[in-house]
Amino acid sequence: DIQMTQSPSTLSASVGDRVTITCRASQSINVWLAWLQQKPGRAPRLLIYKASNLESGVPSRFSGSGSGTEFTLTISSLQPDDFATYYCQQYYSYWTFGQGTKVEIK
Amino acid sequence: QLQLQESGPGLVKPSETLSLACTVSDDSINTNNYYWGWIRQPPGKGLEWIATIYYSGNTYYNPSLKSRVTISIDTSKKQFFLRLTSVTAADTAVYFCARGIYDVLTTYSLHFDNWGQGTLVTVSS
Repeated sequence: DIQMTQSPSTLSASVGDRVTITCRASQSINVWLAWLQQKPGRAPRLLIYKASNLESGVPSRFSGSGSGTEFTLTISSLQPDDFATYYCQQYYSYWTFGQGTKVEIK
Repeated sequence: QLQLQESGPGLVKPSETLSLACTVSDDSINTNNYYWGWIRQPPGKGLEWIATIYYSGNTYYNPSLKSRVTISIDTSKKQFFLRLTSVTAADTAVYFCARGIYDVLTTYSLHFDNWGQGTLVTVSS
C-alpha cells in the first residue's frame, strides 16, 4: 500500500499569508496526485490534479508542485474562504489519502 | 452540472449489512470515460477509499475491507451501489460516492472529479 503523509497536521495563519502544505508518498507516484479542500459538513472539493493542474473554477492563488514522492500545495495569499482542511490523494496505485492539514485562523 | 446523491439507511445495527446507493444525474455512467467509487470518513477523521467500479464491471477494493465489501453498478438506473457486511461501530462514518476520470487511451485511472454530498451512517443497536 502507498502511504501518504502530510505536514503539518495543523497550520495557523492570517489572511494574506502565503501557506504551504507538504505531502510525501511512501513510494514514487510520478505526478498522480490530487489536492482536495474540505469544509465542515461538506464534501471534498477538487483543487489540483496531476500534481500541478488547477481544476476549473478554482482560484489561481492555489498552486501545486512536485513529482515522485514530494509534493506541495501553496496558497499564495490566504483568503477567509480558504480556512478548511486540505487532503492530498494519490491515484498511482489504487487510491489513498493523506491524513489532512487543517488551516485555521491565527 | 453533474450531481451525485447518496441514499440509504442512516442507522444500521451491529453485525448487519450496510447498503447504499449513489444516483448519477447525467449520462456519464453510461460511458467508458469514468469510473465510480465509494469513500468514507469517520466522524472527526480523514478519508478512506473503500471501493471502485468501472463501466466494464471491473472492481477494486481496499484490502482492509475487501472481505466485507461489494460494489455494483446498474447503468440503466444511473446508479451504483455499496454493500458492507458484518458492520461494527468502527464502520460509523459519512459515506461519499464519487466519479473518477478514466483515460481510455492510456487506461490510466485519474482523479476523482466530482463527489456526492455524503450520507452519515451510524452503526448502533
